[in-house]
Amino acid sequence: QLQLQESGPGLVKPSETLSLTCTVSGGSISSSSYYWGWIRQPPGKGLEWIGSIYYSGSTYYNPSLKSRVTISVDTSKNQFSLKLSSVTAADTAVYYCARQTRDGYNMHAFDIWGQGTMVTVSS
Amino acid sequence: QSALTQPPSASGSPGQSVTISCTGTSSDVGGYNYVSWYQQHPGKAPKLMIYEVSKRPSGVPDRFSGSKSGNTASLTVSGLQAEDEADYYCSSYAGSNNLSVFGTGTKVTVL
Repeated sequence: QLQLQESGPGLVKPSETLSLTCTVSGGSISSSSYYWGWIRQPPGKGLEWIGSIYYSGSTYYNPSLKSRVTISVDTSKNQFSLKLSSVTAADTAVYYCARQTRDGYNMHAFDIWGQGTMVTVSS
Repeated sequence: QSALTQPPSASGSPGQSVTISCTGTSSDVGGYNYVSWYQQHPGKAPKLMIYEVSKRPSGVPDRFSGSKSGNTASLTVSGLQAEDEADYYCSSYAGSNNLSVFGTGTKVTVL
């Protein structure tokens, strides 16, 4: 069945760029039925949607993070990626990638999640 | 785009029911039937329990049900079991610029 796996550095220095990749296995990222999203969860806190991407490259971002976020897709590798610039300690969190169902243009639920990866921002 | 409001905690004894609310606005919860609910056990990834307000994915027990009235969605867990103790989050489509928003989360305790 479809699986998602996050990968990337677990430690990032303040002011640098956080980079993560999500590899999709057991299915194609180029499906017209889904968006692919990033969600994060600071330690002991709730979930925050970062943004989502369609396989064509269309992106949608949380307005509060939009100025620092870039999500991209590589259909040849069945991967999508997250870059978050100018990070601070407040960006320390578990970062999840997830498949998001869609109906035409509209975003629906996140039905399949990766296991998550902890990223700490510290010098 | 503000987080949807959930009560911090809820509890019930085994076999009882617990209902969690999720309050938004007419721009998200109230405007669309795209509310979903997630269960998260400690150290684990969230799991989809309800989508499109009241639909259950395959494999989710029918003890879990969802509803919506106006700007408030609700998740009810009937016949509480020990394994239902977890954090629960709602989420909604937030329209216009194709956005998603999560709730603040509710910790459910089985007494």
